[in-house]
Amino acid sequence: DAGVIQSPRHEVTEMGQEVTLRCKPISGHNSLFWYRQTMMRGLELLIYFNNNVPIDDSGMPEDRFSAKMPNASFSTLKIQPSEPRDSAVYFCASSINRWNEQFFGPGTRLTVL
Amino acid sequence: GIQVEQSPPDLILQEGANSTLRCNFSDSVNNLQWFHQNPWGQLINLFYIPSGTKQNGRLSATTVATERYSLLYISSSQTTDSGVYFCATPQGQGAQKLVFGQGTRLTINP
Repeated sequence: DAGVIQSPRHEVTEMGQEVTLRCKPISGHNSLFWYRQTMMRGLELLIYFNNNVPIDDSGMPEDRFSAKMPNASFSTLKIQPSEPRDSAVYFCASSINRWNEQFFGPGTRLTVL
Repeated sequence: GIQVEQSPPDLILQEGANSTLRCNFSDSVNNLQWFHQNPWGQLINLFYIPSGTKQNGRLSATTVATERYSLLYISSSQTTDSGVYFCATPQGQGAQKLVFGQGTRLTINP
């Protein structure tokens, strides 16, 4: 299996621009998670989906952040407009179901200038 | 919510040494994962160990859920073991949100 796939791996953008991060979970996994890693706050969950339905988005920092999962093999995390404080590494993870071991993608390193 | 604390925060060793990393959690858990974040930033699954002991090559892990801690053992360290080691557990019973410790940064010198 290819594992969790994320794109792009690196993104550099200017403040105010829209950013879209993409994730393909492991085939057969029904739960998908978006995490963010920063030096100040470490790794924290932003949102997770179960069977394509958002279950908990309490970690989404602001209305500028939105996430969708239109089908079982694709999810996006969008930031509009982006700000320098959004600079971080964004990880996508998936698991067979919400109770099981989570597997992480390689992450997207976002830099907002 | 549950608190996860890791110790030590930093560890510097010579190649060939053994090490023990500790993860304490503030409440009972039914799921605990150990990860290695390599120098390229990738999070690699090491163990999924709600309780008991598991071994994988030079690495082993033990979780004592009743005493709210888990240990990761690395024997005969290699330079490729360098990186940050995280433990993580769900926020609470029935929860799926993983709460991570702050990590142990391990540096193995040749």
